Amino acid sequence: ETGVTQSPTHLIKTRGQQVTLRCSSQSGHNTVSWYQQALGQGPQFIFQYYREEENGRGNFPPRFSGLQFPNYSSELNVNALELDDSALYLCASSLAHPSDTQYFGPGTRLTVL
Amino acid sequence: GIQVEQSPPDLILQEGANSTLRCNFSDSVNNLQWFHQNPWGQLINLFYIPSGTKQNGRLSATTVATERYSLLYISSSQTTDSGVYFCAVEQYSGAGSYQLTFGKGTKLSVIP
Repeated sequence: ETGVTQSPTHLIKTRGQQVTLRCSSQSGHNTVSWYQQALGQGPQFIFQYYREEENGRGNFPPRFSGLQFPNYSSELNVNALELDDSALYLCASSLAHPSDTQYFGPGTRLTVL
Repeated sequence: GIQVEQSPPDLILQEGANSTLRCNFSDSVNNLQWFHQNPWGQLINLFYIPSGTKQNGRLSATTVATERYSLLYISSSQTTDSGVYFCAVEQYSGAGSYQLTFGKGTKLSVIP
């Protein structure tokens, strides 16, 4: 059984660009959540996907968007990157919906210059 | 929104010592998880504990939901216990989903 995987590990972009981050959920898990963790802070909830639909969103602007695919993998897209978007982006999957233990991937560290 | 406060923010322990980390939350929650974040950023589940007490080796956790707090106990600490410990509470966020709200963490350093 493989755990949650994320790609890429690290990424450097410039302000105004767009970025796509990818997440493969743990085997059998149908719910994926994305979090942003700024340096020295706890992770903040961005949104959650269940059966290919967004079904919960934190306090993030619309330029943060996502997708979930039939195999339950997911993408996080961020448009018009800003310097403050520099952070560790974490993906978590869970087996049951709507509430269950969330298992986190290793994260993607995004730097915006 | 819900407030999650963790204390202490920083903790330095001699190897072999015991410690207690605290998590207070401002509203009723559906569930609570404790995580350990290693130096590479990986969040590792420690406990899923809406109420009561659980133990796993040298770690144990207690959540008193009616009083809105949880405690994480680390006994006989080892250098590998170093890292940041997060408490996260789960609440209904609408549209059929529950979201985790994290505290700011307790940074633990265990010295030999």
